[in-house]
Amino acid sequence: EDQVTQSPEALRLQEGESSSLNCSYTVSGLRGLFWYRQDPGKGPEFLFTLYSAGEEKEKERLKATLTKKESFLHITAPKPEDSATYLCAVQPGGSQGNLIFGKGTKLSVKP
Amino acid sequence: ETGVTQSPTHLIKTRGQQVTLRCSSQSGHNTVSWYQQALGQGPQFIFQYYREEENGRGNFPPRFSGLQFPNYSSELNVNALELDDSALYLCASSLGGGVSYEQYFGPGTRLTVT
Repeated sequence: EDQVTQSPEALRLQEGESSSLNCSYTVSGLRGLFWYRQDPGKGPEFLFTLYSAGEEKEKERLKATLTKKESFLHITAPKPEDSATYLCAVQPGGSQGNLIFGKGTKLSVKP
Repeated sequence: ETGVTQSPTHLIKTRGQQVTLRCSSQSGHNTVSWYQQALGQGPQFIFQYYREEENGRGNFPPRFSGLQFPNYSSELNVNALELDDSALYLCASSLGGGVSYEQYFGPGTRLTVT
């Protein structure tokens, strides 16, 4: 069964304290792995797509990496405005395009 | 470039009623996917429409149905509403046909069933 597990469920950081979020996946073939940011009561905002092991993508203070079994979202020197829930999703190979999401990691950054 | 829009923003319905939610896809996109997100959970795939045809369906009962129109906008219909249908309903658009797999989400419709 295709499955995505994110850890930790919640993470509290001080401003400037770097850390990483984990996304482990079990999928029958991987068409792509996606990271989204979601603010309370709003739709997910697209961040990154990763397609193959070893691939890395960066955007401002965020960097996403991918291995054959997991992905990491590294946050360098976070700011309070980085506080949000970060969602990881996979698209299985051979799927009709549906995304399978994890439950997310809720990040709080204190000033 | 216009992003994904959804209407209404919020909706309150009574158990047993029917509801229609609407979505306009991002300019240039021909594929629309619908997701249900319960509080504290990740979005769950309901179904996807590609060029007006249902292209895939998740584990949702037949009382969840949809349409896609020639301009690629879409509707989600839910009949015989149940209390557990209370959730944030998200629409996502993409450029299908194997061109790109990235899905861009709208702001969602918050449905409350009482």
